[in-house]
Amino acid sequence: GAVVSQHPSRVICKSGTSVKIECRSLDFQATTMFWYRQFPKKSLMLMATSNEGSKATYEQGVEKDKFLINHASLTLSTLTVTSAHPEDSSFYICSARGQGAETQYFGPGTRLLVL
Amino acid sequence: GENVEQHPSTLSVQEGDSAVIKCTYSDSASNYFPWYKQELGKRPQLIIDIRSNVGEKKDQRIAVTLNKTAKHFSLHITETQPEDSAVYFCAASLPGGGADGLTFGKGTHLIIQP
Repeated sequence: GAVVSQHPSRVICKSGTSVKIECRSLDFQATTMFWYRQFPKKSLMLMATSNEGSKATYEQGVEKDKFLINHASLTLSTLTVTSAHPEDSSFYICSARGQGAETQYFGPGTRLLVL
Repeated sequence: GENVEQHPSTLSVQEGDSAVIKCTYSDSASNYFPWYKQELGKRPQLIIDIRSNVGEKKDQRIAVTLNKTAKHFSLHITETQPEDSAVYFCAASLPGGGADGLTFGKGTHLIIQP
């Protein structure tokens, strides 16, 4: 149990375009989902926390207008990188947890390359 | 907010030997401490976790110990094998997960030498 999927696994896009990444909890209801960014050989950097039906809470320094997060259902959250630039190239990982739970289960990640 | 420190950043051990990774946390209200293993390009996988009502938990070759008074917890891997090579992250969270979820350490790159 506790499976989280993420799509796409890899995406290459041109500078200035927008990219949407989906995170789905497959076998449980994820009341909270988290979006992380990970640079090579670095730790997980929390970008934002989203609770189903509410606006996402962004970490300091993360532009909410650039990284749009939607958590419209208990099994799906999306991250849209708007007007992507090469510096947005990174590994983006989501995680999900159920109501009142502490454990977070991670998606497989999305490797974004902006040319 | 919570701050988690993790040491060492890199650990190289001979196959068959034991490996120990240590973490400290700052918020005494934290009561949940998971450990994740992340292989290159893959997702972090939960390998073991402990809650503050116990001092030690073991699962085959992996064990975690917790010292609430000192606010530190450690991961112990015995009889290391090549497939144990990965980056390991410790984390801490408040009861019920907290609004911000887990606070992660910076990770330890474990290298198992054949």
